[in-house]
Formats: sequence, structure tokens, C-alpha cells
Amino acid sequence: AQTVTQSQPEMSVQEAETVTLSCTYDTSESNYYLFWYKQPPSRQMILVIRQEAYKQQNATENRFSVNFQKAAKSFSLKISDSQLGDTAMYFCAYLLTTSGTYKYIFGTGTRLKVLA
Amino acid sequence: GAVVSQHPSWVICKSGTSVKIECRSLDFQATTMFWYRQFPKQSLMLMATSNEGSKATYEQGVEKDKFLINHASLTLSTLTVTSAHPEDSSFYICSAKDRGGGSPLHFGNGTRLTVT
Repeated sequence: AQTVTQSQPEMSVQEAETVTLSCTYDTSESNYYLFWYKQPPSRQMILVIRQEAYKQQNATENRFSVNFQKAAKSFSLKISDSQLGDTAMYFCAYLLTTSGTYKYIFGTGTRLKVLA
Repeated sequence: GAVVSQHPSWVICKSGTSVKIECRSLDFQATTMFWYRQFPKQSLMLMATSNEGSKATYEQGVEKDKFLINHASLTLSTLTVTSAHPEDSSFYICSAKDRGGGSPLHFGNGTRLTVT
């Protein structure tokens, strides 16, 4: 069964520093999609970054980048130059597609606090 | 970007009454919508997957007669909590997927339901 594991329930980082959030997943599929979502105190889920498994190049969105290790089934998120507005819950998600149906599987989340 | 509107953002109702939550995709056609429930400081729990024009698919343990889902058009899905009880109090989030195999989910702002 597909699972997504985020082993860090909580993390903190100083403003302007870099932090890496870990995510591992389990799948037998060869092609799939991975996502990182951010949920700030407003509870609005916001897409941070998306990675296609068949693309070897790591996705990057401004200060956010991923380290995608397909063989290790690892999909970590690196936040550079952390800002106070980055304080949020971060969820790693895996998109499972089966016979034209879709299911997004979320990890348990990492609560990130950026310290001034 | 893709916008999903969820209404109401919060609702208080008496035990035994029913509550309807609407989820609309404003600028894209959502062939599939997902309904999640989120407990405080926890991850998103998928309740059901809603496909336009067909019956929703419920996750194990979710009562389909209690949580009625209707996806009558490509832009609207509704979740009705019937005969609500205090234990149904929670944060409910809808999300929509547009066309494209690996497209990300677009989330509504969520609905906080309090049953007194």
C-alpha cells in the first residue's frame, strides 16, 4: 500500500536560515507525482512545489526546492532564507492514479516555526 | 491560478439538524473533487471522492448516509452532514482536481463546523 511518512512532527529555524523537511513514501509504481503543501494558521492549503517522478531534475520554486531521490523514495523540501511567513504546517503528498481514478495521500505533517 | 470557493467558512448548528457545505471551482472544470476532514493539529483525512455525474466513493469508516455528497456539475460539489451530532464538529476541506494526470489539488478555505 502507498504510504507517506514525515518523521519530523515539529521543527524550528532561525529567520534567514535554511531548513530541510523530510518525507519518504512507499510505492510500487514507476510514474507518479509528489507535492508539498503548506497550511499556515489560516488553514488554507497552499501548493508549494510539485515533482514528477519521471523527471530527474529536482523541482524549484524560488526559495523552495526539493531533493528527490527516487531509488530511496525520498522527497525532502528545502526552504532557503526562511521567512516568518513560512511558519506553517507542511504536508508531503503522493498522487496515486489507478485506472483513471485519483487519490492524494498525505503525510502526517511537519509543523515549522520560523524564529525571529 | 485555479480557485476553489468553499462556503460557509464556519457554521454553528444544533444537534439533529443538517448542514450543507458547498465547494465550487471558479475558473476550471473539476472532474474530481475530494472531501477531507481535519482534526486539530492532524493531517487531512480523506472522506470521499466525488466525480461529476456519478456516485461518490467513500473511504472506509465514513458513513455515506450521514455525509451525503453530490457532484451535480463540473464546478460544484456539496457535502451535507445529516442529523449532525457534536462528534461531527470538525474542520472540513474540499479540494478539486482539474484535467491533467498529475495536476495538483486546489483547496477551498475550509469550513469549521460546530454542533451544539
